[in-house]
Amino acid sequence: KQEVTQIPAALSVPEGENLVLNCSFTDSAIYNLQWFRQDPGKGLTSLLLIQSSQREQTSGRLNASLDKSSGRSTLYIAASQPGDSATYLCAVGNTGGFKTIFGAGTRLFVKA
Amino acid sequence: DTEVTQTPKHLVMGMTNKKSLKCEQHMGHRAMYWYKQKAKKPPELMFVYSYEKLSINESVPSRFSPECPNSSLLNLHLHALQPEDSALYLCASSQPTDRNEQFFGPGTRLTVL
Repeated sequence: KQEVTQIPAALSVPEGENLVLNCSFTDSAIYNLQWFRQDPGKGLTSLLLIQSSQREQTSGRLNASLDKSSGRSTLYIAASQPGDSATYLCAVGNTGGFKTIFGAGTRLFVKA
Repeated sequence: DTEVTQTPKHLVMGMTNKKSLKCEQHMGHRAMYWYKQKAKKPPELMFVYSYEKLSINESVPSRFSPECPNSSLLNLHLHALQPEDSALYLCASSQPTDRNEQFFGPGTRLTVL
């Protein structure tokens, strides 16, 4: 059974700092991995999706990497801003990407 | 249009009520999902429809009944719910291609009294 873990559970950084969020999964036979952002009480916003054949994806200040053999993904946020404060969720897709299992998330607070 | 809409935004119901949640997307996606999210927990998959057919049911109690009338609409019918069913219900859609990227709606906040 796939299990997804995110470390750290919470993170507080000063504005401008570069940071890394970690996601690990137990079954390397994944279809894809998606990073989401969730603001309190809101829906999820897709940030980046990495297909199983890819190693990384980039969008603006965000870079996500995937190492299937070690069961790890990282989300790198460059030059953090207060508007980046949110919960970041990692989601592993199995079974063609339909069966999605989420990690518990990392709550990020960026101080101005 | 990359939007998934959900109605209502908030719903309060008694344990004997029957209500429905509605989800709509106009991105031409052929897969739609229901998730349940309790406070401070990650979303948990409930149902997946692919090409209007139920393809995944994560052993959800029968008091939750999904329906996919067409490729743009997804309903979740609720009956005889329990207070522990109170949660944020999220809908998502995706195009079942090699990426299968999921896009989420804002959710319906359900309170069962």
